[in-house]
Amino acid sequence: DQQVKQNSPSLSVQEGRISILNCDYTNSMFDYFLWYKKYPAEGPTFLISISSIKDKNEDGRFTVFLNKSAKHLSLHIVPSQPGDSAVYFCAASAAGGTSYGKLTFGQGTILTVHP
Amino acid sequence: DAGITQSPRHKVTETGTPVTLRCHQTENHRYMYWYRQDPGHGLRLIHYSYGVKDTDKGEVSDGYSVSRSKTEDFLLTLESATSSQTSVYFCAISDKGTSGSYEQYFGPGTRLTVT
Repeated sequence: DQQVKQNSPSLSVQEGRISILNCDYTNSMFDYFLWYKKYPAEGPTFLISISSIKDKNEDGRFTVFLNKSAKHLSLHIVPSQPGDSAVYFCAASAAGGTSYGKLTFGQGTILTVHP
Repeated sequence: DAGITQSPRHKVTETGTPVTLRCHQTENHRYMYWYRQDPGHGLRLIHYSYGVKDTDKGEVSDGYSVSRSKTEDFLLTLESATSSQTSVYFCAISDKGTSGSYEQYFGPGTRLTVT
């Protein structure tokens, strides 16, 4: 049972345009969401996060939107750069007790930004 | 970058042999995690620790055990390696940030091949 889903295995975008990566979740207990970027042969690196009390969080070129009623979040990258080419994972967490901090990851989306 | 190292970085072993992977952190973070990454599955949690000698199972814990005798080290043991355990293994650490969030920071990974 995949609680966090990234339905697009890959996305190709032209440099300078917007990249939109999508993520859906099914567990209504999730209240904190994160995006990670991963280059080949490296560990994932934290990109941006959002709490369920917000619907938007922005950090430079990266913006995450959360639609709780639809159980959907998206990551917008504007403008996209070739160095953004990587695998992007969304992840979700449910707070509380010793489970605090456990993350459930989506399958990942390969983003390719063409010069 | 968070101070997380994993050893070994690459290992080839035979079916039925025990294998131990080590994660070492210099950040004094309370929480430590072991994930495996496989195509089409994203990252899946194997085991995690919420303090010295305090561990719990993740979603894919069968065939794995862990130990944490001190804050900085978290060991993952494959008691009798099988080909299905061929994967890339990532260690992660986290602690409560100023915003109350628990972003996880990942090590560089260990590529394990079981022949």
